[in-house]
Amino acid sequence: GNSVTQMEGPVTLSEEAFLTINCTYTATGYPSLFWYVQYPGEGLQLLLKATKADDKGSNKGFEATYRKETTSFHLEKGSVQVSDSAVYFCALSDQNYGGSQGNLIFGKGTKLSVKP
Amino acid sequence: GAVVSQHPSWVICKSGTSVKIECRSLDFQATTMFWYRQFPKQSLMLMATSNEGSKATYEQGVEKDKFLINHASLTLSTLTVTSAHPEDSSFYICSAWPAGRVSQPQHFGDGTRLSIL
Repeated sequence: GNSVTQMEGPVTLSEEAFLTINCTYTATGYPSLFWYVQYPGEGLQLLLKATKADDKGSNKGFEATYRKETTSFHLEKGSVQVSDSAVYFCALSDQNYGGSQGNLIFGKGTKLSVKP
Repeated sequence: GAVVSQHPSWVICKSGTSVKIECRSLDFQATTMFWYRQFPKQSLMLMATSNEGSKATYEQGVEKDKFLINHASLTLSTLTVTSAHPEDSSFYICSAWPAGRVSQPQHFGDGTRLSIL
């Protein structure tokens, strides 16, 4: 079945360090891929998405490229801030009929802590 | 932007009580809403898909008689945890998918932290 695997945390970085959180997926067809962020005590917020191969999603300095050949969607940011401390979830939608989306399948989440 | 309101945000109650959680789409209609459960330090697990005007679709292993879902209108879905017990304590999150806007992603509520004593 469809699944998402992301690197386990926690990840602790100093401010302005480079961030990479790895995410790989297994899916049939052509899923859409997402990164969600969850700040402490809050629900999920969509960070970025990509709907087809070679698409690059970007938002707030974060980027991820949909790599079909490696079935990956790694999250990167060139210079992290303390305010980026949160849990990051990689996810895929398991339906994609003409652009529509079904329910999401999430990775286990990676906790990021950024120290001043 | 699209906003999903979830209420209450936090509830503590005694074992045996039934608890209702509301999920509202504030500025869009949602024929489909999703209910997730998140255990501490774990990922979100889909519990059920709520469909307006029809029965919810439950994931394998989720008791439909325990977790009652009602999608009464295009802007409201409710999850009722019946006769809750301590093992039902968790973080419950809903999401809504804008009707007719198939290219948009799901929008999530802020979650409800349920603690059963």
